[in-house]
Amino acid sequence: GAVVSQHPSWVICKSGTSVKIECRSLDFQATTMFWYRQFPKQSLMLMATSNEGSKATYEQGVEKDKFLINHASLTLSTLTVTSAHPEDSSFYICSARVPGLEAGELFFGEGSRLTVL
Amino acid sequence: EDQVTQSPEALRLQEGESSSLNCSYTVSGLRGLFWYRQDPGKGPEFLFTLYSAGEEKEKERLKATLTKKESFLHITAPKPEDSATYLCAVRGPGNTPLVFGKGTRLSVIA
Repeated sequence: GAVVSQHPSWVICKSGTSVKIECRSLDFQATTMFWYRQFPKQSLMLMATSNEGSKATYEQGVEKDKFLINHASLTLSTLTVTSAHPEDSSFYICSARVPGLEAGELFFGEGSRLTVL
Repeated sequence: EDQVTQSPEALRLQEGESSSLNCSYTVSGLRGLFWYRQDPGKGPEFLFTLYSAGEEKEKERLKATLTKKESFLHITAPKPEDSATYLCAVRGPGNTPLVFGKGTRLSVIA
């Protein structure tokens, strides 16, 4: 099956610093990737849809200047949390849509746990 | 607005004790209902897609069914390795993104 790799798995940073999370499709080209945020015992909340070569589409309520998304190649999308604060601490997960497969059958990365001190 | 409600929130079973998880949904023009499994600290893993009422899919000890208002994930004779959170998601028409439920945390005790 398709493999999506996410890095880092966990990161701890100081308040006010920026953190970058990478999401790579290892064995397929992903024109569309998705970034989710998940709080304990809560559902996956879609933050934004990342399209290769164009600007990301952000969901309502998600600050695009705070959560910068770049999808510069067909195998890599990055999420940068700028000026992170403790309330940004969460589990961030990316997923990718495999061309030709059903749109709802997504392949997810392992997730990145962000802790902001 | 598309909504997905899963119940129970948590379920504890003895090994071999069969049960079912529920996913109720409201969506304008269902284009697919999806089940995922998520292990602690990991990303979800795709299990099944269901498109229309009456459809069923099976994989090992899991069977998913669909009606016009809900889906069930039946677990037959579960084993401890089936312990995970099971997520249900729906997709509406066009390019609308998946809407996920909060999941059911399943614990199977040996």
